[in-house]
Amino acid sequence: SQTIHQWPATLVQPVGSPLSLECTVEGTSNPNLYWYRQAAGRGLQLLFYSVGIGQISSEVPQNLSASRPQDRQFILSSKKLLLSDSGFYLCAWRGPSSGNTIYFGEGSWLTVV
Amino acid sequence: AQSVAQPEDQVNVAEGNPLTVKCTYSVSGNPYLFWYVQYPNRGLQFLLKYITGDNLVKGSYGFEAEFNKSQTSFHLKKPSALVSDSALYFCAVRDMTGGGADGLTFGKGTHLIIQP
Repeated sequence: SQTIHQWPATLVQPVGSPLSLECTVEGTSNPNLYWYRQAAGRGLQLLFYSVGIGQISSEVPQNLSASRPQDRQFILSSKKLLLSDSGFYLCAWRGPSSGNTIYFGEGSWLTVV
Repeated sequence: AQSVAQPEDQVNVAEGNPLTVKCTYSVSGNPYLFWYVQYPNRGLQFLLKYITGDNLVKGSYGFEAEFNKSQTSFHLKKPSALVSDSALYFCAVRDMTGGGADGLTFGKGTHLIIQP
């Protein structure tokens, strides 16, 4: 079966510090990978998606970047965090074995102080 | 562009009563439609989806949803609510034609509160 791991689960970082959130998927190959942000416990905003290694599409201009160094690894980064980067970040995947369904990780809470 | 509307921020239902969480959508082509549930501080859990075929789809935990093309709606339903159904529910859509970003567009979510 397929599983998705996301870490760290919670993170408190000062303004101006770097960020790295990691996500890995097991049990599938060549998945599409996604980073979403959820603000204030409500709507989700698609930040980045990737259809393959090194292929990143950004949906919104922002202070964040994403990378996909391996087939099942997706990383969300920032060089200098802003207060507005605080939120709940969700990694997700979709692959041949999931059909059209996107499955989510457990999320990472980022608080920028 | 595709969009999803969940007109109710919160729905309150007594335990044992039927529940409905409303969702309407807008896409340029044919839609893929999804419902997810989120418990506090957790990721989203997939409940059910409509891709094609029967307009009534059944999913996890006794939930079902009815696709209505003429009304562009995909309301989530359950015949008898449980207190444990209390959570945040998201409707999502993806255009079947695949145009634009490869991802889902979500509604803002509806808090479902089941009262004992």
